[in-house]
Amino acid sequence: ETGVTQSPTHLIKTRGQQVTLRCSSQSGHNTVSWYQQALGQGPQFIFQYYREEENGRGNFPPRFSGLQFPNYSSELNVNALELDDSALYLCASSWGTANEKLFFGSGTQLSVL
Amino acid sequence: GESVGLHLPTLSVQEGDNSIINCAYSNSASDYFIWYKQESGKGPQFIIDIRSNMDKRQGQRVTVLLNKTVKHLSLQIAATQPGDSAVYFCAEALSGYSTLTFGKGTMLLVSP
Repeated sequence: ETGVTQSPTHLIKTRGQQVTLRCSSQSGHNTVSWYQQALGQGPQFIFQYYREEENGRGNFPPRFSGLQFPNYSSELNVNALELDDSALYLCASSWGTANEKLFFGSGTQLSVL
Repeated sequence: GESVGLHLPTLSVQEGDNSIINCAYSNSASDYFIWYKQESGKGPQFIIDIRSNMDKRQGQRVTVLLNKTVKHLSLQIAATQPGDSAVYFCAEALSGYSTLTFGKGTMLLVSP
């Protein structure tokens, strides 16, 4: 098991609502990346946070936003939820932005009805 | 109709067999590759990695082979066990960048 923890583990929302997902990085890791994993697919990169700022973003609209806190924990916020946002959201931590070896949490399963 | 995306390639083996899982990667500039194992309800777990200056790397019961000419990776699992049953993903990256691009995944089913 990695030391990356995510909450909540499961969440059900309705279309148009907003959601906040939380992640605590592994001890000593200062970089947090978020991935979206749709059913039957590989994870897709959403964005990365380093030193409390966004450091790279995948092909996701602005309604996906995030924060990183001084203790390196992070939040993923999604506004105006759509049905296609239903997925497993994974948080991964690493030491530095140049370290390709990521440690993943177990994810938050989001269902949008 | 059904979504093709819901049907993962599946490899079914008997306990004790050797398993080979294949992956085609997309970016010829990628120079770092990782195999992850994902069990149901869990996040991806690191198995083994390889850089593009190597064509083979061995771990405990696992071997990764890299063929840059055809942009192909394979993961070999020796003496496969029921606990190896999971979905396996390859991922690619550029050295020095921690953004991973994942492949589609292969489900490995190991029967006793």
